[in-house]
Amino acid sequence: QKEVEQDPGPLSVPEGAIVSLNCTYSNSAFQYFMWYRQYSRKGPELLMYTYSSGNKEDGRFTAQVDKSSKYISLFIRDSQPSDSATYLCAMTSDDKIIFGKGTRLHILP
Amino acid sequence: EPEVTQTPSHQVTQMGQEVILRCVPISNHLYFYWYRQILGQKVEFLVSFYNNEISEKSEIFDDQFSVERPDGSNFTLKIRSTKLEDSAMYFCASVDRGPYEQYFGPGTRLTVT
Repeated sequence: QKEVEQDPGPLSVPEGAIVSLNCTYSNSAFQYFMWYRQYSRKGPELLMYTYSSGNKEDGRFTAQVDKSSKYISLFIRDSQPSDSATYLCAMTSDDKIIFGKGTRLHILP
Repeated sequence: EPEVTQTPSHQVTQMGQEVILRCVPISNHLYFYWYRQILGQKVEFLVSFYNNEISEKSEIFDDQFSVERPDGSNFTLKIRSTKLEDSAMYFCASVDRGPYEQYFGPGTRLTVT
């Protein structure tokens, strides 16, 4: 079983829709959970991180962690064409970050 | 806003040659990382570096790889004898505390022919 699983997409949604992106993981030692956004041929950009279970909101973005189910989510409200990118989940328990493969998201104007 | 910079943006080299990829982390950051991303695949951790020594490395980071912080600003990744499969984007990242708030550079595209 892979440590971090993420549906690669692509996921296409109309502008203004709520987007839900998800990852599952197998290592119960993970404590920090991050979401990165990556535009084509650019470096990943940190959107949010959470520690342990629960929700965290930042503007249009909400990160959710369910450690009992080993499942994390990122919700994007009022999606914009500029949100079109690849979204990477990542997690760590020490100094080594494990990334998901990324979900390609297209917001259709 | 401070940012991580990387040079060169694109490096082409022949198989068997040595390459050095350079990174300038954000100035007050203390932890430094290298990652690679083969085209179409996920970002993979290579190595973390703190207090002038390697703190963690992956199985990818074998004897062909080395890292160095030769002065107070640069952080380098050396590949001694490049292979075709080393072709990838290499990203440097830095953080001032913990592993979770990493800032990535724009990457160096390494092409081994």
